[in-house]
Amino acid sequence: RKEVEQDPGPFNVPEGATVAFNCTYSNSASQSFFWYRQDCRKEPKLLMSVYSSGNEDGRFTAQLNRASQYISLLIRDSKLSDSATYLCVTSGSGGYNKLIFGAGTRLAVHP
Amino acid sequence: EPEVTQTPSHQVTQMGQEVILRCVPISNHLYFYWYRQILGQKVEFLVSFYNNEISEKSEIFDDQFSVERPDGSNFTLKIRSTKLEDSAMYFCASSETRGAGETQYFGPGTRLLVL
Repeated sequence: RKEVEQDPGPFNVPEGATVAFNCTYSNSASQSFFWYRQDCRKEPKLLMSVYSSGNEDGRFTAQLNRASQYISLLIRDSKLSDSATYLCVTSGSGGYNKLIFGAGTRLAVHP
Repeated sequence: EPEVTQTPSHQVTQMGQEVILRCVPISNHLYFYWYRQILGQKVEFLVSFYNNEISEKSEIFDDQFSVERPDGSNFTLKIRSTKLEDSAMYFCASSETRGAGETQYFGPGTRLLVL
C-alpha cells in the first residue's frame, strides 16, 4: 500500500468552481500534514499545513481526520492561477521529519 | 524573502561519471534535505543532515551517494558513478528546526540527465 495516496486527476474545472481533493495515508504514526503545490517542472511550495481542527486560508480549507487517516483540501472560487499539481504530504513518523509525498492531484482551471 | 538556491539548474553527464549538486540553504536554518523526483513520479526523500552528519537516509541513498557541508553555506550531494536511473530533478530543502509541523523550504532544483 502506498504511504500517501491521492487521486491523480486531472480535475478540469471552470473558473469560479469549487473543487475538493482527497488523500489517505497509511502510517498512523504520522504527526504532521501538509498540502504543497507544484507547478510544472518547479519545486514544491507549501500551500498550507493541516491541523486536526481543520483550517482555512482564504479560498483554501484543509481538513484532517486522524481516525480515518484522511486529509482533504477544498478550493473555492477557483482561479486560473490555481492550475497546478497539489501534493498531499505527511511527516513526523518515528521522530524524524522527512516529508512523505503523494503523487499529486493535477488541477486545470479553464476560463 | 530568504530562499534556498541550487546550482547548476541543469546537468547532463555520461553514465559512470561523478556529479556534485550544490545547494545554499537559508542562512539560519539548521536542517538540510535532499529529495528527488523522477519525471512523472512523486517527490522522494533521499537524506536529511544536521550538525554535520546524516540523521536519516532512504533506501535510495546507497553507497553511490554522499552529502557534505564543506563550508558554512554550501550543502552538496555527490553521486559517485551515475546510472541512467539517476536521471531526475534533485531538490534541496532546509528547515529551521526539525519540530513537528516545521516548514521545509525547497530550492528550484537541479535537473540531472544521465546519458
